[in-house]
Amino acid sequence: TQLLEQSPQFLSIQEGENLTVYCNSSSVFSSLQWYRQEPGEGPVLLVTVVTGGEVKKLKRLTFQFGDARKDSSLHITAAQPGDTGLYLCAGAHTGTASKLTFGTGTRLQVTL
Amino acid sequence: KAGVTQTPRYLIKTRGQQVTLSCSPISGHRSVSWYQQTPGQGLQFLFEYFSETQRNKGNFPGRFSGRQFSNSRSEMNVSTLELGDSALYLCASSLGEGTHQETQYFGPGTRLLVL
Repeated sequence: TQLLEQSPQFLSIQEGENLTVYCNSSSVFSSLQWYRQEPGEGPVLLVTVVTGGEVKKLKRLTFQFGDARKDSSLHITAAQPGDTGLYLCAGAHTGTASKLTFGTGTRLQVTL
Repeated sequence: KAGVTQTPRYLIKTRGQQVTLSCSPISGHRSVSWYQQTPGQGLQFLFEYFSETQRNKGNFPGRFSGRQFSNSRSEMNVSTLELGDSALYLCASSLGEGTHQETQYFGPGTRLLVL
């Protein structure tokens, strides 16, 4: 059973465009993490959000955790080819950060 | 500091065989978690070991097992391989403090193909 649904599944955009990826769940999580995975590699952590309503910004990336801690979004401004990859959200419950529930994934391709 | 290493990187087995995968965590990390990644099911949690004990377990059959050694290195074993076990197996290490904010560091994975 996949508890975290991501949308869209695939996204192909041109350099300079903006995009938003959504991560939705029927469960409440204590924290939500976003990862990016490139071919042949393991996921790399981008950010962890823990408070309902929290917004974190990392350069061109903006992450938001829903007020009810059931959903999250990732917004990329002015996408670059280096942003290409598989974006994964992952939820953790209290005391179990090592047991992550991953989302279905969003594959992003940014072309010149 | 060296990252998480996994060996082997690629493996081909036939149905019915068994396989052992290895994971060396970042120095100082005491928790190792294992995940299976497939195109159909995505990334799914297998189990977590902390201080040589299984601390958390996912919903996988008993054919999937693991262990952790005193130096925190971990192995996972899959017995009686099935075609559906073909996947990328990822391990992640962390300090093991058990908080929901703790960062997991993933290795590059072992790609297993079962023929």
